[in-house]
Amino acid sequence: DTEVTQTPKHLVMGMTNKKSLKCEQHMGHRAMYWYKQKAKKPPELMFVYSYEKLSINESVPSRFSPECPNSSLLNLHLHALQPEDSALYLCASSQVDMYGGEADTQYFGPGTRLTVL
Amino acid sequence: AQKITQTQPGMFVQEKEAVTLDCTYDTSDQSYGLFWYKQPSSGEMIFLIYQGSYDEQNATEGRYSLNFQKARKSANLVISASQLGDSAMYFCAMTGYRGNKLVFGAGTILRVKS
Repeated sequence: DTEVTQTPKHLVMGMTNKKSLKCEQHMGHRAMYWYKQKAKKPPELMFVYSYEKLSINESVPSRFSPECPNSSLLNLHLHALQPEDSALYLCASSQVDMYGGEADTQYFGPGTRLTVL
Repeated sequence: AQKITQTQPGMFVQEKEAVTLDCTYDTSDQSYGLFWYKQPSSGEMIFLIYQGSYDEQNATEGRYSLNFQKARKSANLVISASQLGDSAMYFCAMTGYRGNKLVFGAGTILRVKS
């Protein structure tokens, strides 16, 4: 069983809606990640939080707004999305190692399938 | 910067046979990690196996083993005794010295035939 949970599993929203994706990890990890994945493509990194601070933003449009309320929780706030933002959104967590060690292993949640109409 | 290349877009294997999924990588870092993930059609990304750049022995986890050839910069995944449930997309990935950026290859779709 995964120890990274994501809600909701599926989300359909209009271009004017505001919604949030939630992620929670129960492994005591101090790094958390958001990825966007299109069908049959590898995941694309969006944001990295390390010790609850945003450490990487991969030039993501401002209609995506991440938030890390504490070391176990990660949110992704969505506003004024476009149909091309429809994708699988994956959350992951890892220990903070940063030396190419096994502690860098990222564990993923089941994902949220987002459809923007 | 790191780069991962998976040259097999799709593979078929007969149930109970072994299969090798290819992965080559490029990096200028001395310390790095190599990972394989499985993604079934449900979408969840499942961690399978890790190999560190300084590990002298090939990693193994149950039916999965990683054939690590450092000089050739290859990290192939070997799945023994394939099962129908192994049908999925498989991604090879790596981290470098700055370990919090995971770079993925394009993936290989594996289909196990009964």
